[in-house]
Amino acid sequence: NAGVMQNPRHLVRRRGQEARLRCSPMKGHSHVYWYRQLPEEGLKFMVYLQKENIIDESGMPKERFSAEFPKEGPSILRIQQVVRGDSAAYFCASSPRPGDVGYTFGSGTRLTVV
Amino acid sequence: KNEVEQSPQNLTAQEGEFITINCSYSVGISALHWLQQHPGGGIVSLFMLSSGKKKHGRLIATINIQEKHSSLHITASHPRDSAVYICAVRVMGTSGSRLTFGEGTQLTVNP
Repeated sequence: NAGVMQNPRHLVRRRGQEARLRCSPMKGHSHVYWYRQLPEEGLKFMVYLQKENIIDESGMPKERFSAEFPKEGPSILRIQQVVRGDSAAYFCASSPRPGDVGYTFGSGTRLTVV
Repeated sequence: KNEVEQSPQNLTAQEGEFITINCSYSVGISALHWLQQHPGGGIVSLFMLSSGKKKHGRLIATINIQEKHSSLHITASHPRDSAVYICAVRVMGTSGSRLTFGEGTQLTVNP
């Protein structure tokens, strides 16, 4: 069991480009959570998805950010027209069901916008 | 005011010392997690608690639901314990297993 896999580990984008962050949950996990950690700040919830559904996106910025978790393949966090303030570590976590048993984090994607 | 407060923010200890990190929260919770994050690294789940006490190796975590307080203890600390320790809670009534985090405690253990 490879755990929660995030890629890429590091991503550099120029201002105005698009960033795509991928998260493959643990086998058997159908619930995915995205969190953002800005420099020198704590982790903040962004979005909660189940397969093919967005359950809670109350932490997502209203513009430029979107997330999906298709029936097949990884969950994708997409940031359009990136700005310097998007530079952060983005973590994904997964769980087999609502609740805390088996809650597992990925290693994160460090996004740098230059 | 944050819903989850940790203290201290920074902690420096000598190898072998007993360490305590505290977490207080102001909301009703379903569960509390203690997490570890090494510089530039991923997040590792240490404990998930809803009551009482758990122990794993040199780590002990306790929670007092009535007082809305949890502690993480490290016995016989070692330089490899140097990391950021994060308290996170699942707030009652929130969706799924969405977590709310404290700001973290930066622990440095010197040899």
